[in-house]
Amino acid sequence: AQKVTQAQTEISVVEKEDVTLDCVYETRDTTYYLFWYKQPPSGELVFLIRRNSFDEQNEISGRYSWNFQKSTSSFNFTITASQVVDSAVYFCALSPPHSGGGADGLTFGKGTHLIIQP
Amino acid sequence: EAGVTQSPTHLIKTRGQQATLRCSPISGHTSVYWYQQALGLGLQFLLWYDEGEERNRGNFPPRFSGRQFPNYSSELNVNALELEDSALYLCASSSWGHTNSPLHFGNGTRLTVT
Repeated sequence: AQKVTQAQTEISVVEKEDVTLDCVYETRDTTYYLFWYKQPPSGELVFLIRRNSFDEQNEISGRYSWNFQKSTSSFNFTITASQVVDSAVYFCALSPPHSGGGADGLTFGKGTHLIIQP
Repeated sequence: EAGVTQSPTHLIKTRGQQATLRCSPISGHTSVYWYQQALGLGLQFLLWYDEGEERNRGNFPPRFSGRQFPNYSSELNVNALELEDSALYLCASSSWGHTNSPLHFGNGTRLTVT
């Protein structure tokens, strides 16, 4: 069985602070995919990143960076110099090694509500 | 390119009624997924359709059903509505055949059962 844990239910920081969202996962699959999605107040889930379990390189995209550590089963997400527009619920998700997001569907964490105060 | 569209945006029903939710995938996407996002329960996988067939379903009772049309749009039907069915229902689409292509989500339909 797969499981994704986002222990931080809510995080509140002041604009321009750096913030890290934690994600810990459990799976018996040797290959899998990890995702981060952003859900702004409008409700739509916005895809941010997909990471193959074979690729442990960290990734940076603008103010966003991701730290994948297979040894600790973690896939953490850091926002540098946070902005008010970053306020949203962020979901970490895990997919088995199948096409199209997984025949069993993505397993989502419960999400972290990030509040960026001006 | 138009994204995933869902209708209606909001739906209010009474217990025991039936609800029908609709989803149009991104052009070229053949797979459609339905997720339920209920308060406190996070996102739960409901159904997956591809090429008109149901490929898999999550741990939901049979009164949750759906179908996919030849144009790949999809419908989710919830029969005998219960209060706990109140949730945001999200539809997503992807390109089958591309390994773990990301899901693209719509804005959702918020179903309220009174």
